[in-house]
Amino acid sequence: GAGVSQSPSNKVTEKGKDVELRCDPISGHTALYWYRQRLGQGLEFLIYFQGNSAPDKSGLPSDRFSAERTGESVSTLTIQRTQQEDSAVYLCASSYRVGQTNYGYTFGSGTRLTVV
Amino acid sequence: GNSVTQMEGPVTLSEEAFLTINCTYTATGYPSLFWYVQYPGEGLQLLLKATKADDKGSNKGFEATYRKETTSFHLEKGSVQVSDSAVYFCALIPYGNNRLAFGKGNQVVVIP
Repeated sequence: GAGVSQSPSNKVTEKGKDVELRCDPISGHTALYWYRQRLGQGLEFLIYFQGNSAPDKSGLPSDRFSAERTGESVSTLTIQRTQQEDSAVYLCASSYRVGQTNYGYTFGSGTRLTVV
Repeated sequence: GNSVTQMEGPVTLSEEAFLTINCTYTATGYPSLFWYVQYPGEGLQLLLKATKADDKGSNKGFEATYRKETTSFHLEKGSVQVSDSAVYFCALIPYGNNRLAFGKGNQVVVIP
């Protein structure tokens, strides 16, 4: 597609339930990020996928968080047993590079998650 | 490691004033540098970029020059408008790497 697509755009869930967030990157983009942005704060790195390499999971805040990506296509971020502190906007971004130069990331509009 | 530092605190200024937001970075080699903007209620958008030393990125009246000697990428605009009110994030990607590092962002408020 023309941009990075995220779904759903809004999600309200009850505490303790599992949620799954989806990201469709731009076709041909090899790298994909998940970030979290809490209200009034900066971006918090969660996980990074690069092609078929092992993902960088160093930003995941707890073992309740996991993410998958098949090849260079769709990614899903799963949060199990949601807590109120998980409420945030979850942003996905993808990028391309030519040689060793990365030309920047295109961000999706995000999924606003509210845990009640 | 690779990191980006932005000046502390929000920036409030009057319409048509000159805007500067400072950004300095720490990275090995020659990173690519970016400014992203987030308008109220919207997602992050790439504002401008520079991929090598002395390059100047520009867009929508904003400019930033890649200064390797001072490891800086300050954002400037000569005459701001109310519609420029947003949060601005400086970011880098190290050379040969895809890992994006963001600064904490600066809230800019332009008063009519």
